[in-house]
Amino acid sequence: DIQMTQSPSSLSASAGDRVTITCRTSQSIYSYLNWYQQKPGKAPKLLIFGASNLQSGVPSRFSGSGSGTDFTLTISSLQPEDFAAYYCQQSHSVPWTFGQGTKVEIK
Amino acid sequence: EVQLVESGGGLVQPGGSLRLSCVASGFTFNNYWMSWVRQAPGKGLEWVANIKQDGSEEYFVASVRGRFTFSRDNAKNSLYLQMSSLRAEDTALYYCARLSEFQPYYYAMDVWGQGTTVTVSS
Repeated sequence: DIQMTQSPSSLSASAGDRVTITCRTSQSIYSYLNWYQQKPGKAPKLLIFGASNLQSGVPSRFSGSGSGTDFTLTISSLQPEDFAAYYCQQSHSVPWTFGQGTKVEIK
Repeated sequence: EVQLVESGGGLVQPGGSLRLSCVASGFTFNNYWMSWVRQAPGKGLEWVANIKQDGSEEYFVASVRGRFTFSRDNAKNSLYLQMSSLRAEDTALYYCARLSEFQPYYYAMDVWGQGTTVTVSS
């Protein structure tokens, strides 16, 4: 199985900050990497597919990059509605796996 | 409106069975692979299974092999998860999700239901 390691597991930031979350995989997954946002009590929401492609309707302050084993989700200017948990997920091979999540909290 | 609605969750004893349903609306259900994803209380997301448009292929996490059965009824726009031999570690919020192929072989879960809760406890 492909192991996913997200870091940090949590972070505190202020509105307007630039935030970066990383996801490392145990083997190359090319660009088969998706990012999801989950707010408390809500279902996950797709943000980024194929490592760097912004899902329709997602604000442009979100961006993804990387390929192979190292990936990054960046929020260029954190907004109040962005405080949530973020998960990476690989779709390269079954079993699909998620990172353990990164909780973005208000500083 | 594109929507997925799960149902069928509840409290069940260890070793028991439960059938979850997911009804789709607002899109052509039989055009899409579908997924089940679960989330244990206070924990992260765990992929459970993918089911092909016609139900002819399925892929699932090893921990449910021989205990969970996946099916769909495209005439009813419905996805099913038959769970048996349930264990405490199956306790979770179960989501169904639509799989979209954004580029060839690039799949992601782009529509999610609200989830249905399964609690396995005596």
